Amino acid sequence: TQLLEQSPQFLSIQEGENLTVYCNSSSVFSSLQWYRQEPGEGPVLLVTVVTGGEVKKLKRLTFQFGDARKDSSLHITAAQPGDTGLYLCAVYNYGQNFVFGPGTRLSVLP
Amino acid sequence: SQTIHQWPATLVQPVGSPLSLECTVEGTSNPNLYWYRQAAGRGLQLLFYSVGIGQISSEVPQNLSASRPQDRQFILSSKKLLLSDSGFYLCAWSAGGAENEQFFGPGTRLTVL
Repeated sequence: TQLLEQSPQFLSIQEGENLTVYCNSSSVFSSLQWYRQEPGEGPVLLVTVVTGGEVKKLKRLTFQFGDARKDSSLHITAAQPGDTGLYLCAVYNYGQNFVFGPGTRLSVLP
Repeated sequence: SQTIHQWPATLVQPVGSPLSLECTVEGTSNPNLYWYRQAAGRGLQLLFYSVGIGQISSEVPQNLSASRPQDRQFILSSKKLLLSDSGFYLCAWSAGGAENEQFFGPGTRLTVL
């Protein structure tokens, strides 16, 4: 059983559409991070959410941390081809390590 | 500013051969260092992490080992590669703590034939 589950696994949409991807767990976390990874490169941090219910916006991306701090969502408004990539959520586990979800692969078609 | 380097960028090795992947960080001191492996298009599996020179923690039993001979150098090794060792290997560093960003290197694509 994975600590983090992400849905959907794959998503293909047309440019201009809106979308939401999810990161879920049965555990409670002090914080959660979202990363985006492009093919052949390392992931790059998008945001860290810390407070239950917190909403953060990064241009057309809106991130929300669940009230119980067990889940998070990422909403993209008016998706563009440049948003294409693998979206990963990650949490800080016991000790000094991070755990990543399996990711949502997003493809935005022009 | 901080930078992280990995080499080689790609590697094709026969089964049973040794492996050495190197990661170095510049512009920071005493970073936490991590090795991850990523299957095609999927999430990252943490292999090793280190909070200081000579301190290595292994997350999963495997055919690989890691060493940290210097503060900003992290090496991933194997004595005999298996087919299942193929994948995309990523090194990362962080300043430590739950809210600190992890900065990833460009990765090494390893193919074991």
